[in-house]
Amino acid sequence: EAQVTQNPRYLITVTGKKLTVTCSQNMNHEYMSWYRQDPGLGLRQIYYSMNVEVTDKGDVPEGYKVSRKEKRNFPLILESPSPNQTSLYFCASSFLGSPLHFGNGTRLTVT
Amino acid sequence: GEDVEQSLFLSVREGDSSVINCTYTDSSSTYLYWYKQEPGAGLQLLTYIFSNMDMKQDQRLTVLLNKKDKHLSLRIADTQTGDSAIYFCAESIDEMGSNSGYALNFGKGTSLLVTP
Repeated sequence: EAQVTQNPRYLITVTGKKLTVTCSQNMNHEYMSWYRQDPGLGLRQIYYSMNVEVTDKGDVPEGYKVSRKEKRNFPLILESPSPNQTSLYFCASSFLGSPLHFGNGTRLTVT
Repeated sequence: GEDVEQSLFLSVREGDSSVINCTYTDSSSTYLYWYKQEPGAGLQLLTYIFSNMDMKQDQRLTVLLNKKDKHLSLRIADTQTGDSAIYFCAESIDEMGSNSGYALNFGKGTSLLVTP
């Protein structure tokens, strides 16, 4: 089944403890992206990647890192999480110029 | 980027039509999208319209596009309780000058509540 898979679905952590949210797609999509969703703010793009080894900042990249070593994977790294990064995170992928396919989300709480 | 505007809430009775409106920002957007988000789930692509079209119909869904006013609407005919969800309007944006519209600029979402 064609899908975008994020893990974990839920994560509670403490301030400063490094974490990684994984994202994997099995559709051979070139483009991958991370969004965060917050009440009243909608979806905001964090980082995106046009292809392997090509990444760039979105609208709210501060406090996040990404990597794209393989086409299928696009992990989101929080080196030192802070409470303002408590949010619902979505990974998405697509062929270039085609509609985005979204994962089911990762709900992160940083205490 | 600039904001894509949507009303935050809409309540309709089961069986009625729902119309969700959106105003987008970029007149050069190639595609305009409607996504649906059910509780606890990701965003599901409902439909999209190419910018050179005025209307697209897909079963109970009708999308109308007014390019002059940068206005997009989604009409759901015979709305059912299973249609209760958050609906996001999105416009394609041009990342890195590629003019391929990979990324999306989202509205904040309209919560649709369908009552029996």
